[in-house]
Amino acid sequence: GAVVSQHPSWVICKSGTSVKIECRSLDFQATTMFWYRQFPKQSLMLMATSNEGSKATYEQGVEKDKFLINHASLTLSTLTVTSAHPEDSSFYICSAADRGYEQYFGPGTRLTVT
Amino acid sequence: TQLLEQSPQFLSIQEGENLTVYCNSSSVFSSLQWYRQEPGEGPVLLVTVVTGGEVKKLKRLTFQFGDARKDSSLHITAAQPGDTGLYLCAGAPQGGSEKLVFGKGTKLTVNP
Repeated sequence: GAVVSQHPSWVICKSGTSVKIECRSLDFQATTMFWYRQFPKQSLMLMATSNEGSKATYEQGVEKDKFLINHASLTLSTLTVTSAHPEDSSFYICSAADRGYEQYFGPGTRLTVT
Repeated sequence: TQLLEQSPQFLSIQEGENLTVYCNSSSVFSSLQWYRQEPGEGPVLLVTVVTGGEVKKLKRLTFQFGDARKDSSLHITAAQPGDTGLYLCAGAPQGGSEKLVFGKGTKLTVNP
């Protein structure tokens, strides 16, 4: 149980284009989903917290107009990186939590912006 | 701001050795999770400890939550190359916050 999927697992895009990453909880309903960014050899950096049907809460320093988050249902959240630039290249990971405190992570999406 | 200090940051050992990873904080957590992450993948939840003083064992891994719920440790006995990975501790702050506070991680390499 507690399986979270992410799609795509990797994506290469050109500078200036937008990329959408999907996060799905496959066998449970996630009241809350989280989006993280991870730089090489570093820990996870929380970008935003999203609850189904409401606006995402962004961490300080994260541009909400650049990283659009939509939490359309209890099993799906999407992160859209708008007008991507090379500095947006990173490993993006989502996690999902039910009503408890444990978070279950997706396998991550490697984004490369050329 | 609550912080989790995780140590050591890097650890390279030989197969068969024992090791301990520590997570310490001045803040109290309602629970603490340990994750293991392999390169290019998402973190996988290993265990959650909730009660002060709690000890949980997962095969060769022993997890302990401090009595005051401010610190935790992960002990691996007879490490194997398959234990190689990034180990992350993450605490759930008291007060019901949904967000986890993550340690900076311990990169463990077990050499055959």
